[in-house]
Amino acid sequence: QSVLTQTPSASGAPGQRVTITCSGGSSNIRTNSVYWYQHVPGAAPKLLIYDTDQRPSGVPDRFSGSKSGTSASLAISGLRSEDEAHYYCAVWDNKLSVLFGGGTKLTVL
Amino acid sequence: QVRLVESGGDLVKPGGSLRLSCEVSGFTFSDYYMSWIRQAPGKGLEWVAYIGPTGSTINTADSLKGRFSISRDNAKNFLFLQINSLRAEDTAVYYCARHDFWTGSSPYLDFWGQGALVTVSS
Repeated sequence: QSVLTQTPSASGAPGQRVTITCSGGSSNIRTNSVYWYQHVPGAAPKLLIYDTDQRPSGVPDRFSGSKSGTSASLAISGLRSEDEAHYYCAVWDNKLSVLFGGGTKLTVL
Repeated sequence: QVRLVESGGDLVKPGGSLRLSCEVSGFTFSDYYMSWIRQAPGKGLEWVAYIGPTGSTINTADSLKGRFSISRDNAKNFLFLQINSLRAEDTAVYYCARHDFWTGSSPYLDFWGQGALVTVSS
């Protein structure tokens, strides 16, 4: 059971906007940057968002991150079939250990 | 280009030991924090441990301390994970990953390997 809670599944039709949330606590999300990863089964996980709301070069601006208090969100707009994957939030805890959320499986209808 | 290639995954009996390797290339290995992350079948990503550039800083997930040991050989560009007293619940794909240079041990993992499968079964 992860300290970071994510809704197990989410879905949306092509072109729609989907938001995936990650709930944590005062010792992790509230005080540290949040990172988001996309994981397609069989492939290596890919960093989508760093420092809560920054995109690495090459990541489309359809992906955006934010946080408020002890929760963080990943929004995906203009949903495409290739966005179907598992999405994980990650954060430092107060012992500088890395925590991953339980993951959200995104289905593109 | 940056490459991370895991090896050493195998079918192991409960109670056995295994050492995973991650050979890296395309960057100055000795400048970076490195991590191991695993994914059990049907489960999410679980961070295992990280090691600092010189090997003097090590942090292991609380639930895995005692059986998991991370190390590195900067001269040969290898990262290792020693797993002892293997249990069925250690069955997973194990990934090595590079941390971002500027943020050290933060969860900013910018390059990952393809993973090595460890199966623990009698």
